[in-house]
Amino acid sequence: KAGVTQTPRYLIKTRGQQVTLSCSPISGHRSVSWYQQTPGQGLQFLFEYFSETQRNKGNFPGRFSGRQFSNSRSEMNVSTLELGDSALYLCASRAAGGSYNEQFFGPGTRLTVL
Amino acid sequence: AQTVTQSQPEMSVQEAETVTLSCTYDTSESNYYLFWYKQPPSRQMILVIRQEAYKQQNATENRFSVNFQKAAKSFSLKISDSQLGDTAMYFCAFMSFQGAQKLVFGQGTRLTINP
Repeated sequence: KAGVTQTPRYLIKTRGQQVTLSCSPISGHRSVSWYQQTPGQGLQFLFEYFSETQRNKGNFPGRFSGRQFSNSRSEMNVSTLELGDSALYLCASRAAGGSYNEQFFGPGTRLTVL
Repeated sequence: AQTVTQSQPEMSVQEAETVTLSCTYDTSESNYYLFWYKQPPSRQMILVIRQEAYKQQNATENRFSVNFQKAAKSFSLKISDSQLGDTAMYFCAFMSFQGAQKLVFGQGTRLTINP
């Protein structure tokens, strides 16, 4: 089985622009979660999508949004980019059902905001 | 809200030695999961080991084992016979047993295995 894939792997944007990141989960996985990793704040949960619905959301401003498609692929959008949005964005997918399913992480998208 | 604390920002040991990484957490829940994740320089986050809070027996995965002290809210990772490939950032993480399946991470410990 192919792992979680994220595109693009690297991205450079300027302040005020918007950006869209993509995540393709492992085949059969219906849940996708997004995390932001920065040196200062560490790893923080952004949101989780399951069956095209946002189930949970972390403490991030409304500039951060996402969606999930019927094939479980997910996109994350950040509008009006700020310097502080520079980070590694990780997505993780898991199978649905049961009380616990391991989250498998993708390689991440490195976003640099200039 | 749950918090996870890793008090050792960096550690360094010689190959084949045993090393223990510390983690403490705070929660009011009685059932939850605890994890250790490894993030090598390639940045791919990999699950090392998982512990269910309702299980008294400490989890073990080959050279990796944990010391789970529920009352003390402590969850340390022991790596035996360390190898060069163990060099990575290690993150301790918490997840509620029910509700949001989100991981709450500690700040990480950078572990270097020297030849």
